[in-house]
Amino acid sequence: GNSVTQMEGPVTLSEEAFLTINCTYTATGYPSLFWYVQYPGEGLQLLLKATKADDKGSNKGFEATYRKETTSFHLEKGSVQVSDSAVYFCALSANYGGATNKLIFGTGTLLAVQP
Amino acid sequence: NAGVTQTPKFRILKIGQSMTLQCTQDMNHNYMYWYRQDPGMGLKLIYYSVGAGITDKGEVPNGYNVSRSTTEDFPLRLELAAPSQTSVYFCASSYPEGSTEAFFGQGTRLTVV
Repeated sequence: GNSVTQMEGPVTLSEEAFLTINCTYTATGYPSLFWYVQYPGEGLQLLLKATKADDKGSNKGFEATYRKETTSFHLEKGSVQVSDSAVYFCALSANYGGATNKLIFGTGTLLAVQP
Repeated sequence: NAGVTQTPKFRILKIGQSMTLQCTQDMNHNYMYWYRQDPGMGLKLIYYSVGAGITDKGEVPNGYNVSRSTTEDFPLRLELAAPSQTSVYFCASSYPEGSTEAFFGQGTRLTVV
């Protein structure tokens, strides 16, 4: 079945450090891949997405590239800020022959950025 | 824009009590979902709906029921609350295409004691 595996947290960084959160997936067909972010006390919101191999999603300085050969979608940011502290979820959505698209989530990675 | 609205935000239930978590969206999305989020466990799909009158089970449906009488509303019912249902519940909605994003409500934190 479909699944998403992402690195466990928490990840603690100093401001302006480089961030990588690893995400790998298992899916048949051609899934779309997403990163969602959850700020404290709030629901999830879309951070970025990629819908086909070699696409790069980007938003707010974050980037992730859809790598079909390594089944990965790692999240990166060159210089994190305190305001980036949140939980980050990798997710995929796949549709097989008309079956319903459903989002499958990883377990989430807590990022804490210290000033 | 209201987006996805969930009520209540917090609730404490006693074992065996019942309650309904409300969810409504104003984006005319066909698809709606209920997830639960347990600490360190990510989000698990409880039920989903692809349109009014159509619902189906997700990964963890036991102990829950849903209905979808309108496009806008997708309530989640707990009939006999158990401590294992202590969690944060999120409702979400989306268009059918898998490449589109899902929009989430702010969540309902439920404690069963």
